[in-house]
Amino acid sequence: EDQVTQSPEALRLQEGESSSLNCSYTVSGLRGLFWYRQDPGKGPEFLFTLYSAGEEKEKERLKATLTKKESFLHITAPKPEDSATYLCAVQATGAGSYQLTFGKGTKLSVIP
Amino acid sequence: NAGVTQTPKFQVLKTGQSMTLQCAQDMNHEYMSWYRQDPGMGLRLIHYSVGAGITDQGEVPNGYNVSRSTTEDFPLRLLSAAPSQTSVYFCASSYSRLASSYEQYFGPGTRLTVT
Repeated sequence: EDQVTQSPEALRLQEGESSSLNCSYTVSGLRGLFWYRQDPGKGPEFLFTLYSAGEEKEKERLKATLTKKESFLHITAPKPEDSATYLCAVQATGAGSYQLTFGKGTKLSVIP
Repeated sequence: NAGVTQTPKFQVLKTGQSMTLQCAQDMNHEYMSWYRQDPGMGLRLIHYSVGAGITDQGEVPNGYNVSRSTTEDFPLRLLSAAPSQTSVYFCASSYSRLASSYEQYFGPGTRLTVT
């Protein structure tokens, strides 16, 4: 059974204080790992897809990295507008591989 | 492009009532899915479709029916609502199950309360 565990559950940062969110996963074979951002009352918004260990992707203050067991979302010099819940999901290879398995998310609060 | 749209935004039902949550996408996506999101549970897959006329069950399908008669629309039906179905429902779509890039695009959600 595919599993995704995100930590911490919640994170409070001062504006400009860099940090990382963790996504640990267990999957028989990884087709892709996805990061989403979700604002209160909204649907998840796609950020990144990572496919293989060692891969990195960046978007503004966010950088996602992938190893064989976990992914990190690094936030550099965050701003209050980065406050949101960040979701991680995995897609497995093989039969039934259309499905995504999501973690419970990390709620990030950036304080001015 | 409107992307993925969902109606209604909010709905209150009494136990035993039926209703249909609507989902439409204008991106010609093959793959569409329904999730529910509950506090502390994360997003869980209810049903999905890989094309018109093809649907399958996800992790939590009981109490829900779907059909896919067109590429654009993927309605979710609650036949007899129960309080356990109180949740926020999200519809999502992606280009193709065969595409190398498989990110799903989500709608704004429907907040359903069953009393």
